[in-house]
Amino acid sequence: NAGVTQTPKFQVLKTGQSMTLQCAQDMNHEYMSWYRQDPGMGLRLIHYSVGAGITDQGEVPNGYNVSRSTTEDFPLRLLSAAPSQTSVYFCASAEESWGQETQYFGPGTRLLVL
Amino acid sequence: EDKVVQSPLSLVVHEGDTVTLNCSYEVTNFRSLLWYKQEKKAPTFLFMLTSSGIEKKSGRLSSILDKKELFSILNITATQTGDSAVYLCAVLKAAGNKLTFGGGTRVLVKP
Repeated sequence: NAGVTQTPKFQVLKTGQSMTLQCAQDMNHEYMSWYRQDPGMGLRLIHYSVGAGITDQGEVPNGYNVSRSTTEDFPLRLLSAAPSQTSVYFCASAEESWGQETQYFGPGTRLLVL
Repeated sequence: EDKVVQSPLSLVVHEGDTVTLNCSYEVTNFRSLLWYKQEKKAPTFLFMLTSSGIEKKSGRLSSILDKKELFSILNITATQTGDSAVYLCAVLKAAGNKLTFGGGTRVLVKP
């Protein structure tokens, strides 16, 4: 199993550009989530999904969209990038929402918005 | 609003020292508290605590939860340079859908 994979590893955007951060897992996990981590701060939940076709907002959803058309994939879209979205983004998955104690994290995507 | 606060923000110790990290929380419908270690990449799971007063141990690391006073501590004894990392505390609510993280404690262990 590859676990949780994220692409790209690093991305530079200009203000106003859009892009999609990819996240995939091959463990047939129902629960997937996106976090951002800023310097000196813990992880903050952006969006999460408890299964295909179901998504919900986390703590900091503004400026981001998600979709969950398959169990495996959970892409995060930045609609119009802003410097405030410069951060490290982590995708995570768990067998189901009640099993977040064994949440698996992807390697992260470092995003710089100029 | 749910809140998880970790202290200290950072600390520097020498190999062999013992460190104690604190995590306090204010959440409704508490289910469990989790500790993670993060070394320049994704967090890795250390402990899950659900019941008060029951110590969890893994080698030189141990942790305990106090659900009455709403805090947890993570102890690292006989520290090594490989323990240098950011330690994150997170709380899972009974609804089970969201983890709320603290800001982390950065630990630097000097030889």
